Amino acid sequence: AQTVTQSQPEMSVQEAETVTLSCTYDTSENNYYLFWYKQPPSRQMILVIRQEAYKQQNATENRFSVNFQKAAKSFSLKISDSQLGDTAMYFCAFSESYTGTASKLTFGTGTRLQVTL
Amino acid sequence: DAGITQSPRYKITETGRQVTLMCHQTWSHSYMFWYRQDLGHGLRLIYYSAAADITDKGEVPDGYVVSRSKTENFPLTLESATRSQTSVYFCATQGRGNQPQHFGDGTRLSIL
Repeated sequence: AQTVTQSQPEMSVQEAETVTLSCTYDTSENNYYLFWYKQPPSRQMILVIRQEAYKQQNATENRFSVNFQKAAKSFSLKISDSQLGDTAMYFCAFSESYTGTASKLTFGTGTRLQVTL
Repeated sequence: DAGITQSPRYKITETGRQVTLMCHQTWSHSYMFWYRQDLGHGLRLIYYSAAADITDKGEVPDGYVVSRSKTENFPLTLESATRSQTSVYFCATQGRGNQPQHFGDGTRLSIL
């Protein structure tokens, strides 16, 4: 079974600064997907970024980028120019990659990020 | 167009009662999922469905029942609620072709 570990329960960053959230995972699969989801106080689950394991290039979405280290099974999220609206719980998640089947997600326990003035 | 609608948003009930959480989607996505979110555990998969009348267990299925008679609906039933089932429940859908999952707004369920 796959496991996802987020070792930072809480983090804090000042507005406009950069912060990196850590995630490690364990799997025997060679092809899979990794995700970062954001959960603000409204409780919505919002997809921030997705990485396909077979792609060596790190995914980016505006101020959000990942550092994907496949051999080390590490998948960190970097938030640049942090904004107050980035305050949220962030979940790292893993899914296997099988065409034609449901992509069941395995989540980490989350990192609560507080952006301060 | 809401995409995924979960109802109710909040529910309080008592131990031993039956309660059903509803999930409705307008996208005609094949795959639907139920997760529960608990402090210290993140989200855990309860049940999922690949199509109408096809369901399967996830990581924590005990005490839950699902059905999927129509593609757009995927209700989750707690047949005899227990306090350990107090949680926030999320429904999610996924289109074919390794598309990412989309989540509903969740139902906060409290069992007294």
